[in-house]
Amino acid sequence: DAKTTQPTSMDCAEGRAANLPCNHSTISGNEYVYWYRQIHSQGPQYIIHGLKNNETNEMASLIITEDRKSSTLILPHATLRDTAVYYCIVRAPNTGNQFYFGTGTSLTVIP
Amino acid sequence: DGGITQSPKYLFRKEGQNVTLSCEQNLNHDAMYWYRQDPGQGLRLIYYSQIVNDFQKGDIAEGYSVSREKKESFPLTVTSAQKNPTAFYLCASSIGGNGNEQFFGPGTRLTVL
Repeated sequence: DAKTTQPTSMDCAEGRAANLPCNHSTISGNEYVYWYRQIHSQGPQYIIHGLKNNETNEMASLIITEDRKSSTLILPHATLRDTAVYYCIVRAPNTGNQFYFGTGTSLTVIP
Repeated sequence: DGGITQSPKYLFRKEGQNVTLSCEQNLNHDAMYWYRQDPGQGLRLIYYSQIVNDFQKGDIAEGYSVSREKKESFPLTVTSAQKNPTAFYLCASSIGGNGNEQFFGPGTRLTVL
């Protein structure tokens, strides 16, 4: 699975959009980009995933660059409850059974 | 409600004792996983199971054992052979084992005194 690079930490004002970047320059053509988040002392929560096209669901939007070497998770209106560690993971189907969680980005939403 | 449950939330044991962590899911998922998380670090895979009566070692299986006698249950035993057992343990499940998103339980924090 391709390695990902994320900033260690970020701050965002409450009510503003939180844009979390992820670099995955060695991504392969069949690898998906997944995003999870983990609130302190809880299990990780699935947010969204995509292959090439931008994706949106009730939680967030995922923007993947045309060359697929980077992506951005967007939380459109951040709330205090969005404070968490956000993990970007790239993974191909049928290549194994685990997700490699790195250290992620610690997002703090400020009142 | 469907979901994954882990119990207990906090567990304390004396050094040298084996301890079993519970993981149950009612999502009808075939695959289940156990991860370990240490402070400030990501998750590391201990064991996974794609189907009943079958399981595979992950990256850090030494000192741990599992069983998968029922689809709903995947208990993890932390044995006395595990040198640094104090950690946050997370169980997850997915519909299939290949590429499908995983759903996580709330975790069990094990402290060995």
